[in-house]
Amino acid sequence: DAGVIQSPRHEVTEMGQEVTLRCKPISGHNSLFWYRQTMMRGLELLIYFNNNVPIDDSGMPEDRFSAKMPNASFSTLKIQPSEPRDSAVYFCASSRGANEQYFGPGTRLTVT
Amino acid sequence: AQSVTQLDSQVPVFEEAPVELRCNYSSSVSVYLFWYVQYPNQGLQLLLKYLSGSTLVESINGFEAEFNKSQTSFHLRKPSVHISDTAEYFCAVHSGGGADGLTFGKGTHLIIQP
Repeated sequence: DAGVIQSPRHEVTEMGQEVTLRCKPISGHNSLFWYRQTMMRGLELLIYFNNNVPIDDSGMPEDRFSAKMPNASFSTLKIQPSEPRDSAVYFCASSRGANEQYFGPGTRLTVT
Repeated sequence: AQSVTQLDSQVPVFEEAPVELRCNYSSSVSVYLFWYVQYPNQGLQLLLKYLSGSTLVESINGFEAEFNKSQTSFHLRKPSVHISDTAEYFCAVHSGGGADGLTFGKGTHLIIQP
């Protein structure tokens, strides 16, 4: 298996622009997680899905952030409009039930 | 609610010396515990995990961690470190039973000095 796939690996955008991050989980995994990593706050869980259904989005910082999982093999995290404080590395992870989570390589987002 | 505390943000160690990275957690329910490693500019990789059974768990590259329920700890140890072990190490807790997200500690940067 190719592991969790994220795209793009790097994204540089200007404040106010829309940003869409993409994730393909490992085949057969039924849970998907979006995390954000910053120096100040460390790793934070933003939202997770179970069987394509959002279960807990309490970590989403504000309404500018939204996530979707239209099918078992694809998820997006969208920021609209983006702000400089959104600059971070965004990780997607997947798991089969309550087992360990497998992380993607991350998307490094820079908002200028 | 659960939380994870990694007291040391940075641990410098000489090559071939032993190391211990500390992790304490708090949770009102039974937990699964994990150590993840993050090499520079890479994602997180699972190093080892405790789900149940033996309280001492080992990884394939010489690390081990011991689950201590009374002290709510899951410290990571290695008897002899190598330059290649230089990385960020994250302790994480998961409340057993559901497919919930992990709660991570702030991470410990292990610096191996030649």
